[in-house]
Amino acid sequence: GENVEQHPSTLSVQEGDSAVIKCTYSDSASNYFPWYKQELGKGPQLIIDIRSNVGEKKDQRIAVTLNKTAKHFSLHITETQPEDSAVYFCAASITNDYKLSFGAGTTVTVRA
Amino acid sequence: EAGVTQFPSHSVIEKGQTVTLRCDPISGHDNLYWYRRVMGKEIKFLLHFVKESKQDESGMPNNRFLAERTGGTYSTLKVQPAELEDSGVYFCASSWGQHYGYTFGSGTRLTVV
Repeated sequence: GENVEQHPSTLSVQEGDSAVIKCTYSDSASNYFPWYKQELGKGPQLIIDIRSNVGEKKDQRIAVTLNKTAKHFSLHITETQPEDSAVYFCAASITNDYKLSFGAGTTVTVRA
Repeated sequence: EAGVTQFPSHSVIEKGQTVTLRCDPISGHDNLYWYRRVMGKEIKFLLHFVKESKQDESGMPNNRFLAERTGGTYSTLKVQPAELEDSGVYFCASSWGQHYGYTFGSGTRLTVV
């Protein structure tokens, strides 16, 4: 089955700086890569996703990049703000398979 | 639109007891999923319902876990008898059709002592 590795496990950044989280996956058939943000006391919330037919996608201060050859994808958060503090999960899936394989999560702390 | 509702939010039970978790998906979402996060590790898939049918239960740890989805609406996940290693956060999510944008509930934190 699919194995998703996520690094780092914790990340502390100064407000205004950028944060980068990296994930690798093992199954070359995976073609859907969502990112979830989990705030304290809440469930994971989809913040951005990318499919294998594109290499990069942006939405305001967040962006995802995908390198299918190397089987890795990354989340970039620019101009971090205190409300970006949360646990972030990457995931991978295969078309027509509804099951998501998640990474172990990254706890991001934005220092004011 | 109401989100995915899970209850209880927390449950502390003794080893050997039975616990039932409930999930109410978003109305109209045929797909319902159960996931679990144990000890700060990755969120792991347990099973997937399409309406009232189990589409994939490959992630269920063992036969102490029983999931049902009555009439294709809410779902329950029963653990009987509970073991210490069952402790974790159980998440339910729902989606419709080929839509991959799961909506997760807030989870049930289960502690077995």
